[in-house]
Amino acid sequence: DAGVTQSPTHLIKTRGQQVTLRCSPKSGHDTVSWYQQALGQGPQFIFQYYEEEERQRGNFPDRFSGHQFPNYSSELNVNALLLGDSALYLCASSPVNKRDQYFGPGTRLLVL
Amino acid sequence: QQQVKQSPQSLIVQKGGISIINCAYENTAFDYFPWYQQFPGKGPALLIAIRPDVSEKKEGRFTISFNKSAKQFSLHIMDSQPGDSATYFCAADPFNQAGTALIFGKGTTLSVSS
Repeated sequence: DAGVTQSPTHLIKTRGQQVTLRCSPKSGHDTVSWYQQALGQGPQFIFQYYEEEERQRGNFPDRFSGHQFPNYSSELNVNALLLGDSALYLCASSPVNKRDQYFGPGTRLLVL
Repeated sequence: QQQVKQSPQSLIVQKGGISIINCAYENTAFDYFPWYQQFPGKGPALLIAIRPDVSEKKEGRFTISFNKSAKQFSLHIMDSQPGDSATYFCAADPFNQAGTALIFGKGTTLSVSS
């Protein structure tokens, strides 16, 4: 049983560019959440998708947007990249009606 | 404003010893408290989780103790092994029918010396 997968593993962008990160949840999971983890810090909640709708959102600007597809996979889009957006972006999926979240390996984004 | 305070920031334990990591919170709406283990270059892995109606939960060498009145909870790793060397995060989530949005502590780096 494959766990949560994310692509790409690493990404380098320059300020002002846009980036799209992808996530496939574990089999049987219908909810996908995205987190940002700065170096040496705990993950911070960006938003959560369920039934292709954004269900909850953390304290992140509108430059951060997402999407969930009918097969439950998800994308995170970040526009107008800033140096401070450099971080590990984590995707987590949850089983139907359960609170346990299972994380993928993350995408390491470096903004130059 | 940090909603989950985790301590210590780093911890060194001898092989076979007990590792103890503590977390405290203020928001009484929190009702789900998981612990995660993260190795360098990897995503966090769910270790164990507890709800406020239980004072202790054990899974293998990992035990969560929960003190609702003090608004504190802790992770105990018994018989610590070098393979347990990692960063550990506590987290909390308020009840919300819209779903789970975890709030993490800043993490504790555990080193188990052989």
